[in-house]
Amino acid sequence: DQQVKQNSPSLSVQEGRISILNCDYTNSMFDYFLWYKKYPAEGPTFLISISSIKDKNEDGRFTVFLNKSAKHLSLHIVPSQPGDSAVYFCAASIRNTDKLIFGTGTRLQVFP
Amino acid sequence: DTGVSQNPRHKITKRGQNVTFRCDPISEHNRLYWYRQTLGQGPEFLTYFQNEAQLEKSRLLSDRFSAERPKGSFSTLEIQRTEQGDSAMYLCATSLDGRDTDTQYFGPGTRLTVL
Repeated sequence: DQQVKQNSPSLSVQEGRISILNCDYTNSMFDYFLWYKKYPAEGPTFLISISSIKDKNEDGRFTVFLNKSAKHLSLHIVPSQPGDSAVYFCAASIRNTDKLIFGTGTRLQVFP
Repeated sequence: DTGVSQNPRHKITKRGQNVTFRCDPISEHNRLYWYRQTLGQGPEFLTYFQNEAQLEKSRLLSDRFSAERPKGSFSTLEIQRTEQGDSAMYLCATSLDGRDTDTQYFGPGTRLTVL
């Protein structure tokens, strides 16, 4: 039972344009969501998070949008840079239960 | 602050052998988590400590797996009688109680290959 789903295994975007990565979840109890970036042979690096009481959180080039009614969140990267090329994981948790549930990841490639 | 560290980074072992991994948390982070990641999948939760107390264990953690966190600092994950299905990246993450506890910071991982 995949509670967090990233249905696009890969995404290719030109440098300078917007990258939009999507994530869907099924458990309505989830109330905290995070995005991590992962390079090969490294651990995931925290990017940005959002609580279920918000519908948007912005940090520099990264913005996360949350649509609770659709159980959907997205990560926008503007403008995309070649250094953003990595695998991006969406994760969710029920606050105070501590366990993160991850999606299967989306590989982003930003080309010049 | 040097971040979460894990040792070794790579481990190759023969089926049936025991292996032990170590995780050193970010200083003052009292929560420590172990995850496992296989090819094409996201990290999967294994177990979690708050200080030295192991508070939750996943069904993925069979009897051959044991984790400890003596004194609430570093943690070890031991796998006894390894099987080929244990081959994976083992990730450690830590967080600080009371502030963004759901934001977990990961180490570089230990890649285990069981031959």
